[in-house]
Order: sequence, then C-alpha cells, then structure tokens
Amino acid sequence: DAGVIQSPRHEVTEMGQEVTLRCKPISGHDYLFWYRQTMMRGLELLIYFNNNVPIDDSGMPEDRFSAKMPNASFSTLKIQPSEPRDSAVYFCASSPARRTGSTDTQYFGPGTRLTVL
Amino acid sequence: GNSVTQMEGPVTLSEEAFLTINCTYTATGYPSLFWYVQYPGEGLQLLLKATKADDKGSNKGFEATYRKETTSFHLEKGSVQVSDSAVYFCALRNTGGFKTIFGAGTRLFVKA
Repeated sequence: DAGVIQSPRHEVTEMGQEVTLRCKPISGHDYLFWYRQTMMRGLELLIYFNNNVPIDDSGMPEDRFSAKMPNASFSTLKIQPSEPRDSAVYFCASSPARRTGSTDTQYFGPGTRLTVL
Repeated sequence: GNSVTQMEGPVTLSEEAFLTINCTYTATGYPSLFWYVQYPGEGLQLLLKATKADDKGSNKGFEATYRKETTSFHLEKGSVQVSDSAVYFCALRNTGGFKTIFGAGTRLFVKA
C-alpha cells in the first residue's frame, strides 16, 4: 500500500494568495484528519471527516480555512487568503473503519511544508 | 478537558544509554494511550499503544505501561541507537471518540 499521499510536499507562496493542499488517504479508510504542526503550537487537529462528511471542524482557525472531501479517495485543505502566520507543516492522516480494523491508529502522510511570505 | 503533558526536550543520550520520556495525561473516562514517533522529514507513525489500565505496549524495544493511578504512560527503552533519534509524541484518545490529543513532542538525539 502506498500509504497516505500528500501534495505538494513543499509550497512557497505570497501573502494573499490562495493555497490548496491535497490528500489521498489509504484505500478503505473511512476517517480522514487534517493537522497543522508548528513549533509554537505543536500538533493541532483542524478537522476530520467520516465517510466524506465533516464531523468536527472546531479546530479550523478561521474562515480563511476550508476543507472538502468530495469522495473517499481525495481531500483538500484550502487557505484563502493566506497569511504568514499560516506557515506550518500540514499533515493528513487516515484511520480504518471500525469493521475493518482498529480505528485507534492514525496513519500519517509525509506532510506539506507551507511557507507564506 | 483532555490533555497530555510530556517532558520537554531535547533529550541527548549516548548510544546504548537507557531512555525514559515522561508522559502524564488528564482525561475523563478511560482513554487509549499512544506513543507516536516522527523521523526527520516524515509524518508521525504509531510506535505503540495501550487501551486499558496496566496494559503494556511494546515495539522495537520501546515499552510503556498504562498507569491509571498515576495517570502516566512513560516511554522507556533499555538501549537506544543512533537510529532512534526522532521526535516522540505521547497521545490519548477517549473511548468512543476520534479526536486524538497529542503532547508537544520530545526530541531525542542519540550520539554515536
């Protein structure tokens, strides 16, 4: 299995630009999570989906952030407009459905390092 | 609310030294406890877990025991290797929930 795939791996953009981060979860996983990691705040859960439906988006910092999961194999995290304080590493993770495996474990992608100038 | 507190790093050890990284938690109910490891440039990966009191999780020579009386889940390894250099995250997830709460992470450097 290829694991969780994220793209791009690195993104450098200017303040005010729209940024779209992409994630392909592991096939058969029903749960998808977006995290943000910074030195100051550590690892923060932004939002998670179950069967493509957003369940908890209480960690999304503000309206500039939005996430979608149009199907079971693809999710996006969009920032519009981007700001320098959004610079971080963004991780996507997925977990199996209850019926197929342990939902305890999350499988993380390699992350997207975002730099907003 | 739920929270995880782990010792600040970095921790610097010589190869073959004994490792302990402390982790304590606050939670309602009976959470599952985890240690994740993050190698440079990679995402987190599960190292070990324990789902109930007195359970011991183990993997790759690492161990941690779920201590309900002290609300702790300390990570230990008897003899570290240079390849163990990474950031280690303690985490918890409450029963029936899907939010995993992560600690701040502890960076480990192992010198040859």
